[in-house]
Amino acid sequence: QKEVEQNSGPLSVPEGAIASLNCTYSDRGSQSFFWYRQYSGKSPELIMFIYSNGDKEDGRFTAQLNKASQYVSLLIRDSQPSDSATYLCAVTASGGSYIPTFGRGTSLIVHP
Amino acid sequence: DAMVIQNPRYQVTQFGKPVTLSCSQTLNHNVMYWYQQKSSQAPKLLFHYYDKDFNNEADTPDNFQSRRPNTSFCFLDIRSPGLGDAAMYLCATSRLGAGAGGEETQYFGPGTRLLVL
Repeated sequence: QKEVEQNSGPLSVPEGAIASLNCTYSDRGSQSFFWYRQYSGKSPELIMFIYSNGDKEDGRFTAQLNKASQYVSLLIRDSQPSDSATYLCAVTASGGSYIPTFGRGTSLIVHP
Repeated sequence: DAMVIQNPRYQVTQFGKPVTLSCSQTLNHNVMYWYQQKSSQAPKLLFHYYDKDFNNEADTPDNFQSRRPNTSFCFLDIRSPGLGDAAMYLCATSRLGAGAGGEETQYFGPGTRLLVL
């Protein structure tokens, strides 16, 4: 059973701070890693994906992948109250699978 | 804008009364997925179509069926909804086989919230 683990939170950070969200996965051969944002009652919205070890930046968001340690993280710089949402991590397994396994998500609260 | 559309956004049905949820997409993606998501849980994949090929998850109840009459449309049929089927139903698409990076990326529609009375 391939697993994707996230701390359910809530993670509470003050406005302007860096929010750090973490995700670990069990399949060492996992290929692709995705971060989605989901507001309450809404559908998931893609933030970014990452394939290679290291960092990938997009605006205020940075994804960090460490395949040796089997974790992927999402950093949100200059957090805003509008970033308050649940962040879902999704991972596709090895062996050519294109179906991602989703974590349960981490709830982020950015307070003014 | 290219997008994934789901109708209706909210559906109220009675216990045991069949219901159909629809999904359409203008992205020209070849894969369409149906997920069930309950509160504070990860989306749970029910089934997906890769082109015309239907792929059912092993633990998807027989009560759930799907149709994909063409590339753009996909339907989820719940034959006899039970109280436990109340959830958000998400349709997603992806374009596989294009050889481009990020092709497993899924794009979600707005979802249909199903309430069973």
